Amino acid sequence: QLVVSQSPSASASLGASVRLTCTLSSGHTTNAIAWHQQRPEKGPRYLMKINSDGSHSKGDGIPDRFSASSSGAERYLTISSLQSDDEADYYCQTWDNNIHVFGGGTKLAVL
Amino acid sequence: QVQLVESGGGVVQPGRSLRLSCAASGFTFSISGMHWVRQAPGRGLEWVALISNDGRNKYYADSVKGRFTISRDNSKNTLSLQLNSLRPDDTAFYYCARKKYSGWIDSWGQGTLVIVSS
Repeated sequence: QLVVSQSPSASASLGASVRLTCTLSSGHTTNAIAWHQQRPEKGPRYLMKINSDGSHSKGDGIPDRFSASSSGAERYLTISSLQSDDEADYYCQTWDNNIHVFGGGTKLAVL
Repeated sequence: QVQLVESGGGVVQPGRSLRLSCAASGFTFSISGMHWVRQAPGRGLEWVALISNDGRNKYYADSVKGRFTISRDNSKNTLSLQLNSLRPDDTAFYYCARKKYSGWIDSWGQGTLVIVSS
């Protein structure tokens, strides 16, 4: 069964870096994923897609502070030089045979 | 610039029906697959349905299969979601979203709220 797992919460200080993780279930460890950001009381926003080899493509206007990487079943989103408006929920999305799933999301607090 | 604008949400009684629409602009609608995704208040994102660019292929989450129907009108650049036999746990913001190439979402609408309550 296709499942993606995320830690429920993360925190980091203003100006620091943070790495969020999305873990793919067994049998789907080579899947690509997409990262989406959802600020409080707003709709989701596409950030980037990342493949199993670490290659990725960003959405329009996504700052260079946002980057992605991959290792085995894990896909990472790294945000550097954290700003207050990076405080948001971050979701990963994957798919298999046209069935899609989202992770439960990680709520990022910027301290 | 891609723009997706949902409409049709509202308050509806359990067991009743509702039809959501999504007006698309800023891209060639007829070559893009389209998704519906929902989010219950205070909860995470849940994928609902996907339709191919030509409308021939449709895919649904198990939670809505047999009750919801996704459709599109490429002549009007409009995506729709027919919600039947609504239940209180269908209460959510419903977002339309564009499918990119092999599957991921690269653009989102602002959402429309559906409340199922007696």
